[in-house]
Amino acid sequence: AQTVTQSQPEMSVQEAETVTLSCTYDTSENNYYLFWYKQPPSRQMILVIRQEAYKQQNATENRFSVNFQKAAKSFSLKISDSQLGDTAMYFCAFMNTGNQFYFGTGTSLTVIP
Amino acid sequence: DVKVTQSSRYLVKRTGEKVFLECVQDMDHENMFWYRQDPGLGLRLIYFSYDVKMKEKGDIPEGYSVSREKKERFSLILESASTNQTSMYLCASRAGLGFSNQPQHFGDGTRLSIL
Repeated sequence: AQTVTQSQPEMSVQEAETVTLSCTYDTSENNYYLFWYKQPPSRQMILVIRQEAYKQQNATENRFSVNFQKAAKSFSLKISDSQLGDTAMYFCAFMNTGNQFYFGTGTSLTVIP
Repeated sequence: DVKVTQSSRYLVKRTGEKVFLECVQDMDHENMFWYRQDPGLGLRLIYFSYDVKMKEKGDIPEGYSVSREKKERFSLILESASTNQTSMYLCASRAGLGFSNQPQHFGDGTRLSIL
């Protein structure tokens, strides 16, 4: 079974600064997808960004970007120009060729004004 | 936008009761999922379904069952609720059966307390 590890249970960042959330995963598969989800306090979990394993180029969505290192099985999320609305729990997720999703334990991010 | 609706945001039940959690999606998605979310444990898959009347066990199916009589609706059933089933329950749906980058779309969650 695949495992997803988020080693930072809690993080904080000053407003307008940059923060990086780490995620590593364990798999023997060569093809898969990776996702970052955001869950604001008492609100719905939403997709932030996704990455195909066969693409070397790192995905970017506005202020959110990833650093995908396939050989190291690492998939970190960088948030630039942090905003108060970025305060949330962030989950890293791995999807295998069987369409099974595996989630990490989450990182609670607080943006400080 | 995809809309995944869970019937209750908060629910309080008693030990031994039969509990039904309902989830409806409006995008004709083939796949539906039930997770429970606990602090420090992340999301753990209880059951999923890739078609009407089909169901597959996830990682923690014990004490739960599911029903999918219609494509848009996926119900989670706690046969005899116990205090260790107090948790946040998340429903999700996903389009397509093939291997693709389609993400899961989540409902708002149901915070269930068993007394």
